[in-house]
Amino acid sequence: ETGVTQSPTHLIKTRGQQVTLRCSSQSGHNTVSWYQQALGQGPQFIFQYYREEENGRGNFPPRFSGLQFPNYSSELNVNALELDDSALYLCASSEWTASEAFFGQGTRLTVV
Amino acid sequence: AQSVAQPEDQVNVAEGNPLTVKCTYSVSGNPYLFWYVQYPNRGLQFLLKYITGDNLVKGSYGFEAEFNKSQTSFHLKKPSALVSDSALYFCAVRDLGRDDKIIFGKGTRLHILP
Repeated sequence: ETGVTQSPTHLIKTRGQQVTLRCSSQSGHNTVSWYQQALGQGPQFIFQYYREEENGRGNFPPRFSGLQFPNYSSELNVNALELDDSALYLCASSEWTASEAFFGQGTRLTVV
Repeated sequence: AQSVAQPEDQVNVAEGNPLTVKCTYSVSGNPYLFWYVQYPNRGLQFLLKYITGDNLVKGSYGFEAEFNKSQTSFHLKKPSALVSDSALYFCAVRDLGRDDKIIFGKGTRLHILP
């Protein structure tokens, strides 16, 4: 196993609600990234945090926000949920080098 | 902009036969390339990477990949397929800009037939 853990594993929310997803990064990793994987698609980059600062963002609206904590764990928050937000949300951690990223098992979010 | 392409949605291979999953890339500068595998209802598992050095990269579970700069390809290979290799495979590249994000291909579903 990679050592990256995400919670919860599954979640059902109603359109318009807010959701918080959590990620614990692998020991020694100071960079956390979040990806959205819609059904039948490859993962799409949402944003990345390095030492508690956002240092990159993909093509996602501001209602997608995040945090990184001093222990390098992270949260992904999504406000005003839409049906199209239904997806597998993946967290990945890495060292701040051009190294491989290690992924958690993901959180399956269903918006109804 | 960096990108990867996986031209095959699905690849079917008989158990015991060699397998190849194709990937081509487009990058500015030196490519940092990866292969990941995804089993049903699971996250992504790292298989192997190419950053520099030998063009033939060996990875987990007997997989290897061949980096070809002239053809801008990074095909995943295995000499003898197992039924347990059936999964979704993603080729990916690091976008070495400000955010160092990973850009994924759309994935290739590999079916190993018993």
